[in-house]
Amino acid sequence: SYDLTQPPSVSVSPGQTANITCSGHRLGNEYVCWYQQKPGQSPVLVIYQDDKRPSGIPERFSGSNSGNTATLTISEAQPMDEADYYCQAWDSSILYVFGTGTKVTVL
Amino acid sequence: QVQLVQSGAEVKKPGASVKVSCKASGYSFSSYGVTWVRQAPGQGLEWVGWTAAYNGNTNSAERLQGRVTMTTDTSSSTAYMELRTLTSDDTAVYFCARHSNGADYWGQGTLVTVSP
Repeated sequence: SYDLTQPPSVSVSPGQTANITCSGHRLGNEYVCWYQQKPGQSPVLVIYQDDKRPSGIPERFSGSNSGNTATLTISEAQPMDEADYYCQAWDSSILYVFGTGTKVTVL
Repeated sequence: QVQLVQSGAEVKKPGASVKVSCKASGYSFSSYGVTWVRQAPGQGLEWVGWTAAYNGNTNSAERLQGRVTMTTDTSSSTAYMELRTLTSDDTAVYFCARHSNGADYWGQGTLVTVSP
């Protein structure tokens, strides 16, 4: 099976930058999405196709993907960005795999 | 606006089956796929499977193959996920989501509890 590994937690001060990594074998060859999930809520897509933002997602969310690592960057982090974040890769066979998840704390 | 509304919570005995529905509105149902994801209490997201609403093709997670069936009814814009031979490990919130470039719209989730 294909595994995607994320750090369990990331802490960031308000107004600073948080980088959340997602590691997998040759991940750069796959499209990566990122989801934000707050307690008791459904996930929200924040990045798709490595670096694209859906309508309504703030510009402070950005993504990159190369080699074995994809990265979600939250610039000028705000308290409302505190949530769990999951990366997800998929291929042309529409097989999904989710990362292990990262809890982002803004304090 | 795009909405996916799922059926209500279920409590099942071990060995039983459960069928969760997901009614879509606000978009052309047949033009997209539907993906199913589950989340056990306090755990991360786990992909269950995917179905193409336009032709019924499906693909599911290897560990669930043989126990899960996903279908769509284009006449009512509804997707279904059935999971059989339930065990306590299947206790989770089950989500449906529209598949476009990733899962871009999600249902509210359906809690399935498997308990003796």
